[in-house]
Amino acid sequence: DIQMTQSPSSLSASVGDKVTITCRASLGISNYLAWYQQKPGKVPKLLISTASTLQSGVPSRFSGSGSGTDFSLTISSLQPEDVATYYCQNYNSAPWTFGQGTKVEIK
Amino acid sequence: QVQLQESGPGLVRPSETLSLTCTVSGGSTSSYYWSWIRQPPGKGLEWIGYVFNSGSTHYNPSLKSRVTISVDTSKNQVSLNLISVTVADTAVYYCARAPLSSGYDYWGQGTLVTVSS
Repeated sequence: DIQMTQSPSSLSASVGDKVTITCRASLGISNYLAWYQQKPGKVPKLLISTASTLQSGVPSRFSGSGSGTDFSLTISSLQPEDVATYYCQNYNSAPWTFGQGTKVEIK
Repeated sequence: QVQLQESGPGLVRPSETLSLTCTVSGGSTSSYYWSWIRQPPGKGLEWIGYVFNSGSTHYNPSLKSRVTISVDTSKNQVSLNLISVTVADTAVYYCARAPLSSGYDYWGQGTLVTVSS
């Protein structure tokens, strides 16, 4: 099974900061990588598919990159509404594993 | 607008079977991956498995011996059965849809299932 490892597990940054979360797959998954945002008490929301394709309605300050085993999610200018836990997910081959999550807070 | 609604008991006794239904409205169940995903209180997301086109299934190896996911296209419903539950199966259970070559674009609101005697 493919393991997904995110880092860091949590971070605290100031409004306007650039924030980067990384996700590493234990085996290559091409670009079959999704990123989700889950705000406290809410349902996960799909932000990015195929590693870098922004979903409709997602602010352009979010971007994704990577292929193979190494991926990243970047928030170019952190906003208060971005406080959430972010998950990456492999959907190249089952089981479609999630990373353990990265909790983003405002400093 | 596609909507997913989970339903089922909120309390299940240990050793019994957890059964949930996800009713899909505003869209077809055909040609999508339909999954169940769970989240224990205060923890991360755990993928349970998927069904595709009413026949193809794949499950999390850690749950494979206890789980069945199926789809009833005539009713536009996706079902989850998890047998022999323990307290470790207490979680919010989500139903979610994934188009081909995409992540999960639609999710249900989730339903909390507590396993307790």
